[in-house]
Amino acid sequence: DTGVSQNPRHKITKRGQNVTFRCDPISEHNRLYWYRQTLGQGPEFLTYFQNEAQLEKSRLLSDRFSAERPKGSFSTLEIQRTEQGDSAMYLCASSLTGTSGDWHTQYFGPGTRLTVL
Amino acid sequence: AQTVTQSQPEMSVQEAETVTLSCTYDTSENNYYLFWYKQPPSRQMILVIRQEAYKQQNATENRFSVNFQKAAKSFSLKISDSQLGDTAMYFCALTSGGSNYKLTFGKGTLLTVNP
Repeated sequence: DTGVSQNPRHKITKRGQNVTFRCDPISEHNRLYWYRQTLGQGPEFLTYFQNEAQLEKSRLLSDRFSAERPKGSFSTLEIQRTEQGDSAMYLCASSLTGTSGDWHTQYFGPGTRLTVL
Repeated sequence: AQTVTQSQPEMSVQEAETVTLSCTYDTSENNYYLFWYKQPPSRQMILVIRQEAYKQQNATENRFSVNFQKAAKSFSLKISDSQLGDTAMYFCALTSGGSNYKLTFGKGTLLTVNP
């Protein structure tokens, strides 16, 4: 078990460019969550998957954002036509499902820090 | 809607002393879970401790313990024998089935442990 991994760790892009981030969850975890964290704030929920199905999207996730989780394994988060306001840390977390607290505990990756110039 | 409030933006403590971080929350769910996460500077979010709402006993993990007051909707974190490595941002978070188990975070408390 190597934990949740995210790539790239840092991304600098120019306004208007498209970017894609990848998250690899803990292997047996069937739930995967994306959060956004701006400086000095707690993470805010963006979207989540159970296996390959995207079951909820936040209103924060504008139509420029899209997320996928093909085959219920890794996930990608794409931002099209980036804006300076998209600059943030994008965090991925994974968990199991079940009936006890241990099942619903989310484990986080190191995040991808996006800077839009 | 769920909310989490951390009213202490910053705190400091001397090494080896004890410190308590405060958190209050609001939810309409009966079955929910509370967490404290630690985020050291430029490092990833790490789970510190978890509390299931249906459990009356307060959770403990080594030097970390919580004071869970369900009626008051309060969930404070006590760190005993503080160490320099405890310096970090601490986030209180809440999840429940009614929210698809997504986490709702507070704004965090920056804890500095001084030598």
